Amino acid sequence: DAKTTQPNSMESNEEEPVHLPCNHSTISGTDYIHWYRQLPSQGPEYVIHGLTSNVNNRMASLAIAEDRKSSTLILHRATLRDAAVYYCILRNRERSYGKLTFGQGTILTVHP
Amino acid sequence: DVKVTQSSRYLVKRTGEKVFLECVQDMDHENMFWYRQDPGLGLRLIYFSYDVKMKEKGDIPEGYSVSREKKERFSLILESASTNQTSMYLCASSSQGAKGYTFGSGTRLTVV
Repeated sequence: DAKTTQPNSMESNEEEPVHLPCNHSTISGTDYIHWYRQLPSQGPEYVIHGLTSNVNNRMASLAIAEDRKSSTLILHRATLRDAAVYYCILRNRERSYGKLTFGQGTILTVHP
Repeated sequence: DVKVTQSSRYLVKRTGEKVFLECVQDMDHENMFWYRQDPGLGLRLIYFSYDVKMKEKGDIPEGYSVSREKKERFSLILESASTNQTSMYLCASSSQGAKGYTFGSGTRLTVV
């Protein structure tokens, strides 16, 4: 399975935008880029996913590099409730029924 | 709101006991998964199922078994609980294709 690399931690101030990077240089053409986040004492929560084009939803935006070797999750205005571990994961739609392999993720701290 | 429900939030069992962790989803999803999460090791896949009565080993299946008799229910079984199975157990489900997973809130199991 193709791997992803994320910074261990990042910090932000409340109401500022946050850009969470992810490198996936060995991504294959059938890998979707998924982002999840995990708040303290909860299960992971799906945030967004994409294949080639940038994606937006009510939670966040996903910017995907043209060569697909990296992506960035964008939180447009961070709140204290966005403090969580953020996971960037590749999901292959053709193998193993789409199982996800989680890395260590990025711990996001949001300061008031 | 769609949900994955895990039967217990906290569980304490004795070494050698047979332990059942239950997970129910109401989204008619084909795929269901069991993960465990430990500090420093992240989320690791134990077993998954892509259809009723079908199961596949994940990355760490030793000491565990699963049962899926109905589409909505996926059970994780610890045949003889040991202290090294003390962990947070997370159930998830997904439909076929690229869509995201939905996770339960987790069961924190302590084996004494």
